[in-house]
Amino acid sequence: EVRLVESGGGLVQPGGSLRLSCGASGFPFNSYGVSWVRQAPGKGLEWVASISGGGGTINYADSVQGRLTISRDNSKNTVYLQMNSLRADDTAVYYCAKDLYSGSNVWYFEKWGQGTLVTVSS
Amino acid sequence: EVVLTQSPATLSLSPGERVTLSCRASQSINRYLAWYQQKPGQAPRLLIYDASNRATGVPDRFSGSGSGTDFSLTISSLEPEDSAVYYCQQRSSWPAITFGQGTRLEIK
Repeated sequence: EVRLVESGGGLVQPGGSLRLSCGASGFPFNSYGVSWVRQAPGKGLEWVASISGGGGTINYADSVQGRLTISRDNSKNTVYLQMNSLRADDTAVYYCAKDLYSGSNVWYFEKWGQGTLVTVSS
Repeated sequence: EVVLTQSPATLSLSPGERVTLSCRASQSINRYLAWYQQKPGQAPRLLIYDASNRATGVPDRFSGSGSGTDFSLTISSLEPEDSAVYYCQQRSSWPAITFGQGTRLEIK
């Protein structure tokens, strides 16, 4: 069974940092791209960042460029999202999601984790 | 950035009815469009990709169509469990992936 489990969310002050983790199982992890998608309370979905299976292709939404960093450790079947200089508008549930196809990144999100809530507030 | 506009914003229908949700792109995205279903308190679920391909395990009452700038998701006969918010998503303007704002579907 494919599983994605996010962790690391919590309450952080504006300007602070947090690192989210996405642990995966049930599929050949290094063959699939993984993305982070967030959802502010009561709002819609917003793509945040994506990383290819090998880690060589990384892209970010303009709204997080320079503040959030996606990475992966294929030996641990884990993708990370390092979040720095956090702002109130970063408050959201953060989901990690697995790409639909292995090998070639199509950036359709076939399987999602349950999400982890990040709250940025003083 | 490609903007996706979904309509209507909300609708309320009865079981057994047929419904079509719309997603319009601000520029041509070929067929690089997906549809997701999100129920309260749950993660989204992929329903349709490349405009008309059903994802694994999705009931055949869900179908997608369209190309270019106009797309639709049709549910042929509504079930109570179809009550959810439905989002479209495009990947044509990679790396700028965007979602529509969602359509809330209530089953009376």
